[in-house]
Amino acid sequence: DTGVSQDPRHKITKRGQNVTFRCDPISEHNRLYWYRQTLGQGPEFLTYFQNEAQLEKSRLLSDRFSAERPKGSFSTLEIQRTEQGDSAMYLCASSLRDSTDTQYFGPGTRLTVL
Amino acid sequence: GNSVTQMEGPVTLSEEAFLTINCTYTATGYPSLFWYVQYPGEGLQLLLKATKADDKGSNKGFEATYRKETTSFHLEKGSVQVSDSAVYFCALDSGGYQKVTFGIGTKLQVIP
Repeated sequence: DTGVSQDPRHKITKRGQNVTFRCDPISEHNRLYWYRQTLGQGPEFLTYFQNEAQLEKSRLLSDRFSAERPKGSFSTLEIQRTEQGDSAMYLCASSLRDSTDTQYFGPGTRLTVL
Repeated sequence: GNSVTQMEGPVTLSEEAFLTINCTYTATGYPSLFWYVQYPGEGLQLLLKATKADDKGSNKGFEATYRKETTSFHLEKGSVQVSDSAVYFCALDSGGYQKVTFGIGTKLQVIP
């Protein structure tokens, strides 16, 4: 299967700990997005990469959050000093550069902060 | 800013009933419009899309027409099946780098 993959699928951590999630996009896709989805809500945009360049960050992305895409392929999202309010599903999506192209979503990483 | 408003669920229908899920939007410019579906335990999947006014997106028996005059993109299906039970998200992308704005989702439950 050559879809978007995310790892881990589930993460339980204690408040104050750091966590890191990984996203592997579809191989030829140069755009990569991170979203956050809380229970009963739709996904909310967090950040966007075109190749290795992070071109926009949402105001939802506090300074405890950092995302990288070092070689323009996979991406990581790190949350430092986690808080209970960080509990959510973190979704990754990728697309081709064409502005009309569809975003393909991964299965998500569900984070629970105790 | 951009926003999407869709009817809150849950929506419960009997098999073979007609489905409508309403969606309206606010956006600058000329957004592309989408319906995504999330089946239980699975990731978001694109169901259908329309990129300009009066376009009709269709897939798996679902349809939605891009109505610029009413800023709407209502999802319809003539005869739902139990396997259609899922959460449906209306969304828009106002171009540029495709930041997608989603509605809150409507849960559909189809009973035999």
